[in-house]
Amino acid sequence: EPEVTQTPSHQVTQMGQEVILRCVPISNHLYFYWYRQILGQKVEFLVSFYNNEISEKSEIFDDQFSVERPDGSNFTLKIRSTKLEDSAMYFCASSDGRRQPQHFGDGTRLSIL
Amino acid sequence: GQQVMQIPQYQHVQEGEDFTTYCNSSTTLSNIQWYKQRPGGHPVFLIQLVKSGEVKKQKRLTFQFGEAKKNSSLHITATQTTDVGTYFCAVISNFGNEKLTFGTGTRLTIIP
Repeated sequence: EPEVTQTPSHQVTQMGQEVILRCVPISNHLYFYWYRQILGQKVEFLVSFYNNEISEKSEIFDDQFSVERPDGSNFTLKIRSTKLEDSAMYFCASSDGRRQPQHFGDGTRLSIL
Repeated sequence: GQQVMQIPQYQHVQEGEDFTTYCNSSTTLSNIQWYKQRPGGHPVFLIQLVKSGEVKKQKRLTFQFGEAKKNSSLHITATQTTDVGTYFCAVISNFGNEKLTFGTGTRLTIIP
């Protein structure tokens, strides 16, 4: 069964540094998402992406965050200047249509020191 | 923003007992999805409910959407150790976007 893949599985970064989290969504999917989950808490929406542009973003997704689909397969989340509170598990997801199930990757655990 | 509450937050059950988690919204929902997250894992889609009063079954799991489309429940009959994890309901915005708002989740642990 096709799956969403994310790299790296764990990223440790100094506060203030830039990080790029990478995702390869399922190949025929058209909608892409990033979510984050702070340890022990619920999954929180960050951003949705469709037709090469952001369709919605949350309050968490401030100017320090950006997303890109640089080619036909990758979908990246960049955090420009990381803060301690950015430490969380970041999940990428994709779906093949509106109001369809979202398929999640295994996540990238981001630890900010 | 949309708020989706789930109860209970935690549930410990003896293997073989039943388990139910409830999801409540203050607003009418267009649909609701349920996801399971194993410890250390990622959310995995279980089911989507769309119609008022809808009931769907997957083996030992029964999902229900309230008549007013403001609440939903997931019931597991005769729990097994493989049922361990956190169960989240999630709703899609009524306003056309695909953002999923997750509930607070119910963490299920099974006592063998």
